[in-house]
Amino acid sequence: QQPVQSPQAVILREGEDAVINCSSSKALYSVHWYRQKHGEAPVFLMILLKGGEQKGHEKISASFNEKKQQSSLYLTASQLSYSGTYFCGTVGSYGKLTFGQGTILTVHP
Amino acid sequence: DVKVTQSSRYLVKRTGEKVFLECVQDMDHENMFWYRQDPGLGLRLIYFSYDVKMKEKGDIPEGYSVSREKKERFSLILESASTNQTSMYLCASSSDPGLAGGSSYEQYFGPGTRLTVT
Repeated sequence: QQPVQSPQAVILREGEDAVINCSSSKALYSVHWYRQKHGEAPVFLMILLKGGEQKGHEKISASFNEKKQQSSLYLTASQLSYSGTYFCGTVGSYGKLTFGQGTILTVHP
Repeated sequence: DVKVTQSSRYLVKRTGEKVFLECVQDMDHENMFWYRQDPGLGLRLIYFSYDVKMKEKGDIPEGYSVSREKKERFSLILESASTNQTSMYLCASSSDPGLAGGSSYEQYFGPGTRLTVT
């Protein structure tokens, strides 16, 4: 079953912050985050493993709460280059990576 | 620099045709994957392979088959293309030697093939 991402779309001005949430109905072992720019392949951002850790990647960070089966991606002081579609992928007990439906992020000057 | 390549960026086929989509990776990865991407549905796994000649069904395998005769190459086959298979097809690979999908290994994606079936 696919994880559910929210919001489906978000529009920001440069410098604003955003949070993208990813929620699953099943127990998770890890969460992946990818970004896909228009017309390009999805690119890996980070993986979060069980343990509730928070990871960072430039001004993009994420948290993973395995008890709530949720992950959140935090984009701080957004830049034009952050525009794209963000996908979370969740890994459950069978080890298979299942992607969410994506969140479209648009950053305007 | 890691690379996953797909044989075509755009493909137009007629209903009922047999369609082959090819994917090649140069990273010596064990695992390879085929996804389709549709607006509002995200990336959905069609098939994956964890070794040569080995394959497993993903979430939406109906109407598709795959072939992996060599480690670096993974082919997706549409036996008889239908209009509802019009989509963007993405290939990916990962080095995770364990479970399919990789609990702690990133996937590397190809640029995608936009297939239109008329």
